Amino acid sequence: DAKTTQPNSMESNEEEPVHLPCNHSTISGTDYIHWYRQLPSQGPEYVIHGLTSNVNNRMASLAIAEDRKSSTLILHRATLRDAAVYYCILRDNSGYALNFGKGTSLLVTP
Amino acid sequence: GAVVSQHPSRVICKSGTSVKIECRSLDFQATTMFWYRQFPKKSLMLMATSNEGSKATYEQGVEKDKFLINHASLTLSTLTVTSAHPEDSSFYICSARGVGLQGAEAFFGQGTRLTVV
Repeated sequence: DAKTTQPNSMESNEEEPVHLPCNHSTISGTDYIHWYRQLPSQGPEYVIHGLTSNVNNRMASLAIAEDRKSSTLILHRATLRDAAVYYCILRDNSGYALNFGKGTSLLVTP
Repeated sequence: GAVVSQHPSRVICKSGTSVKIECRSLDFQATTMFWYRQFPKKSLMLMATSNEGSKATYEQGVEKDKFLINHASLTLSTLTVTSAHPEDSSFYICSARGVGLQGAEAFFGQGTRLTVV
């Protein structure tokens, strides 16, 4: 699997936007960019995924660079409940297991 | 979205005993289930992949005789930690992939925290 690089941790104030970066310079043409997050003592949950175009859903937005070598997960208004570890994962649609890296630990302060 | 349920959410057992963890897909049929292990402040590590009705495929370094996986039906997979030792204490998480589910997202259970004393 192609590797992703994320900052170990980030901090945000409540109700402010958060931009979580991910570098994936060795991404292949068939790799989708997936984001999952894991709240403390829980299993991961899906956030968003995309291939080439920017994507929006009720949880977040995903901005993908034109060369696809990086992407940014955008939380438009951080809440305390968004404090979690965010994982950026590359995967094709073969259905194999997700390989988790270290992720970014997001701290949200009131 | 689809729901994956794990049971129990936490368990404490004595060293040398066996513990069974169940993973159920509640509203879809899971042709494939994945088992992960997560140590404190570490990321999830894939242990094995199980397909309904066939033997599980284990990742390198995971003992198949210690971590028994059974995927006998399309809605249930079990992980049994045999002869548990304190070093097996960890957070175990299952994930399921189903037939005909829309989208590319994976669904995870809530995890089982195993403590071996």
